Amino acid sequence: DIVMTQSPLSLAVTPGEPASISCRSSHSLLWSNGYTYMDWYLQKPGQSPQLLIYFGSNRASGVPDRFSGSGSGTDFTLKISRVEAEDVGIYYCMQAIQTPWTFGQGTKLEVK
Amino acid sequence: QVQLQASGPGLVKPSETLSLTCTVSGASMNNYYWTWIRQPPGKGLELIGYVYYSGSTYFNPSLQSRVTISVDASMNQFSLKLNFVTAADTAVYYCARGSDCPTCYSFPRWFDPWGQGTLVTVSS
Repeated sequence: DIVMTQSPLSLAVTPGEPASISCRSSHSLLWSNGYTYMDWYLQKPGQSPQLLIYFGSNRASGVPDRFSGSGSGTDFTLKISRVEAEDVGIYYCMQAIQTPWTFGQGTKLEVK
Repeated sequence: QVQLQASGPGLVKPSETLSLTCTVSGASMNNYYWTWIRQPPGKGLELIGYVYYSGSTYFNPSLQSRVTISVDASMNQFSLKLNFVTAADTAVYYCARGSDCPTCYSFPRWFDPWGQGTLVTVSS
């Protein structure tokens, strides 16, 4: 199975400041068609995960533009340009190129 | 707005069968993958498997021998059965809708939305 490794495992950010989460995969997530099969999800406290980013960099419907996904191959980054209080939760990356799809271990974001 | 609601027993005895149903509202089940994902307490997310609206299925090899996922589009429901459960199957079980798109090539490349999750505890 593809292993997804996130870092850091936790971070605390002051509102208005940027945040960055890294995800590294054990196998390239770039398909021969040029698409990157990699998503980001946010699990807010007490809620189920919600889709933030798909195809590595496409924001899901309703996701604020302060969230952006980037990267290629095996190294990916989720950036929040200006953290808000509502952004607290656990962020997960997921690969969808090789079955079974697998998730990173999660990164917990706290807002100071 | 599509919503998913998982339901089923919250307590299952070891060696018995875990059965959950997910009811879909607000949208047709056509042209999507209907998915089960679980999260053991304090641990990460694990894909269990999915069923396409037409009935074809995929299961995680780690669970394949014990899992059945079925769909009843006429009832807007899909179901999970996990046989011979042990304490290791204790988890929050989520149902979710998997994408279908031209560049998805017959796989759900993302999951949106997810249901609220239901905790299933395996204990005697």
